Amino acid sequence: DGGITQSPKYLFRKEGQNVTLSCEQNLNHDAMYWYRQDPGQGLRLIYYSQIVNDFQKGDIAEGYSVSREKKESFPLTVTSAQKNPTAFYLCASSISGEVFQPQHFGDGTRLSIL
Amino acid sequence: GQNIDQPTEMTATEGAIVQINCTYQTSGFNGLFWYQQHAGEAPTFLSYNVLDGLEEKGRFSSFLSRSKGYSYLLLKELQMKDSASYLCAFWDSNYQLIWGAGTKLIIKP
Repeated sequence: DGGITQSPKYLFRKEGQNVTLSCEQNLNHDAMYWYRQDPGQGLRLIYYSQIVNDFQKGDIAEGYSVSREKKESFPLTVTSAQKNPTAFYLCASSISGEVFQPQHFGDGTRLSIL
Repeated sequence: GQNIDQPTEMTATEGAIVQINCTYQTSGFNGLFWYQQHAGEAPTFLSYNVLDGLEEKGRFSSFLSRSKGYSYLLLKELQMKDSASYLCAFWDSNYQLIWGAGTKLIIKP
């Protein structure tokens, strides 16, 4: 079955540590996205990519980095510069960046601080 | 500026009908999505409206009025499994998807 796989499901970060969240899709989608979800707030866009080897910052990119070396993969690194990383992180993909294309989501990674 | 608003929580009875409203303000609009999200899970796509009117998909319908900046999601014949958060999101003029905080729907027997 095609879908989006995020790993790990739960992740703990120590102070000063960088951690990487994995996102893999086998839907052959061109566009991929990373969102952060906090209680009582809408999803906020961290980074998005519409094509391999290209990505753009979203509204809250500070303290995060991404890469898009393969169409299937869009890992997110939460760096030590992100001072409040505790949140639910969602990866999504869509066929293209066209507005009428729905985004399909992975099951998320919950990141907490030790 | 732009913003999007939906009620924080609603309660309804199994078998009944519930309407979840979403209002938005934006200088440019390119369509609106509704998603369902069960606690701790991924949002799943329900509907997309770009023109005014009602779109029906089984027990779920979505309505859009662009002139009023208003949409609603109508759920009929409510089932316990419909207990979830319902998220609305619109594409703005910069082709950014702006998300509401979600409406938590509680279904009681």
